[in-house]
Amino acid sequence: GAVVSQHPSWVICKSGTSVKIECRSLDFQATTMFWYRQFPKQSLMLMATSNEGSKATYEQGVEKDKFLINHASLTLSTLTVTSAHPEDSSFYICSARAMTGGLVEAFFGQGTRLTVV
Amino acid sequence: SQQGEEDPQALSIQEGENATMNCSYKTSINNLQWYRQNSGRGLVHLILIRSNEREKHSGRLRVTLDTSKKSSSLLITASRAADTASYFCATDKGGAQKLVFGQGTRLTINP
Repeated sequence: GAVVSQHPSWVICKSGTSVKIECRSLDFQATTMFWYRQFPKQSLMLMATSNEGSKATYEQGVEKDKFLINHASLTLSTLTVTSAHPEDSSFYICSARAMTGGLVEAFFGQGTRLTVV
Repeated sequence: SQQGEEDPQALSIQEGENATMNCSYKTSINNLQWYRQNSGRGLVHLILIRSNEREKHSGRLRVTLDTSKKSSSLLITASRAADTASYFCATDKGGAQKLVFGQGTRLTINP
């Protein structure tokens, strides 16, 4: 199947700093990628839809100025958590869709565990 | 917002027993997918069932889909300790649209 690579897999940062997470589609092009956030023992919540060459679409309640998304190429989307605070500590996962076996499937990155201290 | 609801939220059984998890959703779908997530890890795709399918098998996994009731079930037969994980259903409207995840079931298999 298609491969989505996410980097870094974990990061610890100080409160007030910014952190950038990368999501790459390794063997396919993705015009659309999705960013999810998952708090401990909870489900994945969609944060935003990243669109190549245009602005991201944010879900209700997600601050677009805090979670900056850039989808500058067909294989890379980045999520930057600006002025991070401890409550932003979470597991962030990206996803992209690819055609496999005649079906469009979703493929997920390995996730990034962000800890803000 | 999440549209899927799963039950039970947590399930603990003995190794060798069967585990059944249920998922309900609210809107029409193109397909429904089940994922497994080990603690602190990424998602592993288990099985996809299309809206025109009623049942699908993959190894020890059996998935059913009832579009009239907007529900799906995942059955794991002959459970093993390694099956301990969280299981999520995700509804898919197809195309470039987002997956919407259920709340998940935390499954614990006791040796």
